[in-house]
Amino acid sequence: NAGVTQTPKFQVLKTGQSMTLQCAQDMNHEYMSWYRQDPGMGLRLIHYSVGAGITDQGEVPNGYNVSRSTTEDFPLRLLSAAPSQTSVYFCASSREARGVGETQYFGPGTRLLVL
Amino acid sequence: AQSVTQLDSHVSVSEGTPVLLRCNYSSSYSPSLFWYVQHPNKGLQLLLKYTSAATLVKGINGFEAEFKKSETSFHLTKPSAHMSDAAEYFCVVMNYGGSQGNLIFGKGTKLSVKP
Repeated sequence: NAGVTQTPKFQVLKTGQSMTLQCAQDMNHEYMSWYRQDPGMGLRLIHYSVGAGITDQGEVPNGYNVSRSTTEDFPLRLLSAAPSQTSVYFCASSREARGVGETQYFGPGTRLLVL
Repeated sequence: AQSVTQLDSHVSVSEGTPVLLRCNYSSSYSPSLFWYVQHPNKGLQLLLKYTSAATLVKGINGFEAEFKKSETSFHLTKPSAHMSDAAEYFCVVMNYGGSQGNLIFGKGTKLSVKP
């Protein structure tokens, strides 16, 4: 049971390049989400999914795209990278979206630097 | 609407002295509240959670938090700090009413522990 895995751990991009951050979970969780973490800002929600085929926008969705074709995988795509997207990205999953006290499991994070 | 406010962005204590990290919440519902810890360059780990059972919640590594409805607070405490407690701590509330995902994060409190 690997939990939530993310690849790559670290990535450097040039402005305008595109890339996909991978996220996978092996706990059969319905709910998955992507956050970005910036100093002094806490974690901000980018996109989330309540099940395969269903995604929705979070607080800061601009410049990012997601899809959820399987329960296990929830990739995050940067369409045209900008320096403002330099951040640490966390993927998370939980059994359901809003169960009482539902525990969210986090991946180890991807550090992205956009030059 | 739900929200959380972490009252201190940085707390510094000496090893062996008590730790107090303060969190106030706002919620239109009976809240589910969490504390997560993030050690440097690591992902987020659940410390403890409140789900309307006992108001004093015990977590891992000797941490505990008390839910006080009258004060809308969920402060995190530990009787005696250890060097390994140096990390960033996030107070989180479950977002029951909104459409933007399931968790709302505070901006974090960085705990430093001096020898």
